[in-house]
Amino acid sequence: AQTVTQSQPEMSVQEAETVTLSCTYDTSENNYYLFWYKQPPSRQMILVIRQEAYKQQNATENRFSVNFQKAAKSFSLKISDSQLGDTAMYFCAFMKIGSGTYKYIFGTGTRLKVLA
Amino acid sequence: KAGVTQTPRYLIKTRGQQVTLSCSPISGHRSVSWYQQTPGQGLQFLFEYFSETQRNKGNFPGRFSGRQFSNSRSEMNVSTLELGDSALYLCASSSREAFSGNTIYFGEGSWLTVV
Repeated sequence: AQTVTQSQPEMSVQEAETVTLSCTYDTSENNYYLFWYKQPPSRQMILVIRQEAYKQQNATENRFSVNFQKAAKSFSLKISDSQLGDTAMYFCAFMKIGSGTYKYIFGTGTRLKVLA
Repeated sequence: KAGVTQTPRYLIKTRGQQVTLSCSPISGHRSVSWYQQTPGQGLQFLFEYFSETQRNKGNFPGRFSGRQFSNSRSEMNVSTLELGDSALYLCASSSREAFSGNTIYFGEGSWLTVV
């Protein structure tokens, strides 16, 4: 069974600094997607970034980038130039590619606080 | 384009009652999936509907059910409520079946408290 582990329950970072959130996963699948979602206090989940496992190039979205290490089954999120609006709960998620049954497996989340 | 709309946003129910939550997806989206979020269990996948058919189901008891209408709106029903059903229920929509890897868009959720 697939599992997703986020080992950092809480983190804080100074405004304008860089922070890295870690995520490891366990799967025997070869083709899958990985995601980082952000859930601010308003509770609405927002997709931050996604990575297809078959792509070697790390995904980037403005200040957000990932370090995807397929062999190590690691998928960390780097937030550069942190802003107060980045304060939120961040979830790492795994999804197997393919037809038939699928599951979105979420990690337990990392609560990030950006300090002024 | 309007986002995913969930109603009601907040509700309180008594143990043993049943509840129905509604989700209106983004216009044109045919996939609707439901998730339960609790402090103890985190985010867990409930089920997904695509074109009125349940495509996938998570590990929840039969008390949790859902359906999707021809306009892609979806409802989730929980019968014989238990205290442990207190949670934030999130709905998400996607233009294609979720296992295609397409981006899913979440609603703001329905807060259910069971007393």
